[in-house]
Amino acid sequence: NAGVTQTPKFQVLKTGQSMTLQCAQDMNHNSMYWYRQDPGMGLRLIYYSASEGTTDKGEVPNGYNVSRLNKREFSLRLESAAPSQTSVYFCASIFQINTGELFFGEGSRLTVL
Amino acid sequence: DQQVKQNSPSLSVQEGRISILNCDYTNSMFDYFLWYKKYPAEGPTFLISISSIKDKNEDGRFTVFLNKSAKHLSLHIVPSQPGDSAVYFCAASAELMNRDDKIIFGKGTRLHILP
Repeated sequence: NAGVTQTPKFQVLKTGQSMTLQCAQDMNHNSMYWYRQDPGMGLRLIYYSASEGTTDKGEVPNGYNVSRLNKREFSLRLESAAPSQTSVYFCASIFQINTGELFFGEGSRLTVL
Repeated sequence: DQQVKQNSPSLSVQEGRISILNCDYTNSMFDYFLWYKKYPAEGPTFLISISSIKDKNEDGRFTVFLNKSAKHLSLHIVPSQPGDSAVYFCAASAELMNRDDKIIFGKGTRLHILP
């Protein structure tokens, strides 16, 4: 049981380049999330998807786009990367919020030069 | 505007003693709360949760207390063990009342268990 899988685990980009972070879960979860973690800032919600076909902005959505491709996959796209987007990105999923456990992937470390 | 606040960036506790981590929230619509533990270079892992209809939830060494009137929750770890050294995140959602699936995290508290 793989849980939540994120790719790539590491990426270095130049300012202005684009890239997509992929996330897939095999637990038949309804809701999926993208967070970024920065020193002293905790985990900040970028976008989330409560169900297949729906997406909503979180706390820090600017500079990002998302796609809930199907129930399993939720991708995060940086169209024109900026140094401020250097961070560790985590994807997470949960079947239903009051079931308790939000499962996280191992993280993707992105550096924008 | 921070909706979930963990005001102590770090905490040091002697092994075997009680660790108490605190969390405050500002949004009265929050009705479900979670605690997560994170080791370096790993994703956060779930510890314990509590619904707003309860004021306490216990799971082994971990107990979460919720004080709705004060908009405050705390995580107690008894007894503290060396493996408990990690960053602890508090999180909240408004799913039950508001059907909002957004889950908001605090900034985290780094717990050091001293030998």
